[in-house]
Amino acid sequence: NAGVTQTPKFRILKIGQSMTLQCTQDMNHNYMYWYRQDPGMGLKLIYYSVGAGITDKGEVPNGYNVSRSTTEDFPLRLELAAPSQTSVYFCASRPTPGNKETQYFGPGTRLLVL
Amino acid sequence: AQKVTQAQTEISVVEKEDVTLDCVYETRDTTYYLFWYKQPPSGELVFLIRRNSFDEQNEISGRYSWNFQKSTSSFNFTITASQVVDSAVYFCALSESTSGTYKYIFGTGTRLKVLA
Repeated sequence: NAGVTQTPKFRILKIGQSMTLQCTQDMNHNYMYWYRQDPGMGLKLIYYSVGAGITDKGEVPNGYNVSRSTTEDFPLRLELAAPSQTSVYFCASRPTPGNKETQYFGPGTRLLVL
Repeated sequence: AQKVTQAQTEISVVEKEDVTLDCVYETRDTTYYLFWYKQPPSGELVFLIRRNSFDEQNEISGRYSWNFQKSTSSFNFTITASQVVDSAVYFCALSESTSGTYKYIFGTGTRLKVLA
């Protein structure tokens, strides 16, 4: 049982390049989330999904896209990388139903845009 | 609006001192959950505790204790006899339930430095 896995661990992008951050969970969780953590700040929600085929914007969605074709995978796409997207990205999942359940976080992907 | 405030940006203590990390939250929900996470220098997020809005009992787990007070909308975290290994960034988070999305709203974190 691997939990939530994220790849890559670290990536350097040039301005204007594109990439996909991968997130996979093996716990059969319906809910999945993408957060970004800027230096010295808390985590902010980018996008979330309440099930396969269903996604919605969070607090800071500009510059990102997501898809959820399977329960297990929730990739985050950066189309035109900008220095402002330099951050650590965390993927999380949680089971349903109920408010008491905890989100399970992946180890994070560190992204540097130069 | 949902909001979590951690006013202490950074705290430094000497080993074996007690330290309290403050967390103040805002929500219109009557049902909600509060969390504390630890982020050590390695960067991962480590779950510490979850508390629901109907349970105001304090909780103790080893050297860790939590004080939840709805009257002041606070959920403070105390480390007793701090150790160097406690050095980390600590985040408080609020989970809202009204929309059914269970999104987290995080505070900005408190960096704790425990000096030997």
